[in-house]
Amino acid sequence: GAGVSQSPRYKVAKRGQDVALRCDPISGHVSLFWYQQALGQGPEFLTYFQNEAQLDKSGLPSDRFFAERPEGSVSTLKIQRTQQEDSAVYLCASSLKQIFSNQPQHFGDGTRLSIL
Amino acid sequence: SQKIEQNSEALNIQEGKTATLTCNYTNYSPAYLQWYRQDPGRGPVFLLLIRENEKEKRKERLKVTFDTTLKQSLFHITASQPADSATYLCALDPLTSMRFGAGTRLTVKP
Repeated sequence: GAGVSQSPRYKVAKRGQDVALRCDPISGHVSLFWYQQALGQGPEFLTYFQNEAQLDKSGLPSDRFFAERPEGSVSTLKIQRTQQEDSAVYLCASSLKQIFSNQPQHFGDGTRLSIL
Repeated sequence: SQKIEQNSEALNIQEGKTATLTCNYTNYSPAYLQWYRQDPGRGPVFLLLIRENEKEKRKERLKVTFDTTLKQSLFHITASQPADSATYLCALDPLTSMRFGAGTRLTVKP
């Protein structure tokens, strides 16, 4: 079946522009996660949704970062007034059940964001 | 502070040997631990999950151990192949938010 799909795969923006990154999770998956991965590092947690509810946004680095999942399926991560330090790969993952169910996470291939 | 450390940034071994990767953690009490594989330009792929009350878990050529006293997990790949070359990530405890180590880049030489 289809896996987690992220778009665009690559995004180049000028400093100060707003960007929107999209994630299509596996159909029926309850949990959705966003991560930021810098070069040579592991993924860093940003935020977590259980269906449409954003239950944990403790990893969002600033109020310029905003995520939503209005109908409990597709999610968008928005970054306003981008800065060079926002350059990274943004990964989305989904899992079948809620976070407390010890489920493996299924990752997309990420969006590589470059801020000039 | 909470830390997850994976033994080395890079590990080079000869084909056919056993690769052993280490994940150490401090100031966590994870109920379980997961291992993922990541290829360049791709997202991580789940490999194995081990619970705190399990000492060892196996899947084909993979074996994971979990020692909550030492606060350490070992990940073994037996009879390694060049196709096993990738970065391997350990991850702790999605009870709150998943925390990943920086990964170990494994290269298996023919």
